[in-house]
Amino acid sequence: AQSVTQLDSHVSVSEGTPVLLRCNYSSSYSPSLFWYVQHPNKGLQLLLKYTSAATLVKGINGFEAEFKKSETSFHLTKPSAHMSDAAEYFCVVSPKAAGNKLTFGGGTRVLVKP
Amino acid sequence: EPEVTQTPSHQVTQMGQEVILRCVPISNHLYFYWYRQILGQKVEFLVSFYNNEISEKSEIFDDQFSVERPDGSNFTLKIRSTKLEDSAMYFCASRRQGQNTDTQYFGPGTRLTVL
Repeated sequence: AQSVTQLDSHVSVSEGTPVLLRCNYSSSYSPSLFWYVQHPNKGLQLLLKYTSAATLVKGINGFEAEFKKSETSFHLTKPSAHMSDAAEYFCVVSPKAAGNKLTFGGGTRVLVKP
Repeated sequence: EPEVTQTPSHQVTQMGQEVILRCVPISNHLYFYWYRQILGQKVEFLVSFYNNEISEKSEIFDDQFSVERPDGSNFTLKIRSTKLEDSAMYFCASRRQGQNTDTQYFGPGTRLTVL
């Protein structure tokens, strides 16, 4: 079984300041982990993924995430928020197997203030 | 860059009516999925489809739901007799076959409203 908890449903940051979105996961096997972003009226876009290579993963638009097995965490960060980062972010876990249904966290809505 | 597309973007229907949600996956992808998100709730897995058959389905995916790949490009989700609780955003996703190909690419979603 697998589950994902995003610890903050809403995060508000000022433009130019760091963003931290927290994610903890539970999985009975070594999983793949993803962050997806959803802008208003758009589909889910892949930001980055971890699949057991480097534990620090770099994604698009300056985002990165660090896989910490001991803490079962996969937090997403960006050093400097931009207005265009306002969106909903989903942490997702998947088994490394054929079929691989995704299990989503509840999402974190990011507000960026000018 | 190839994308997953979904039609319609918004569907309004009366309770008890049948609806068909349509998806065009990325052309060289072989695994297909449907997910849904009820307003205010998590995105939930419904069904996965490979080689013209269902490979996994959730408890939500009961006899009222069916999926089909009617031709080489479309992937459809049918709800036979809609209920109020079927109102949700429905997302289609697709994935390539092969090693290191577990990334699923999502469409923009169809918002289904059942009245």
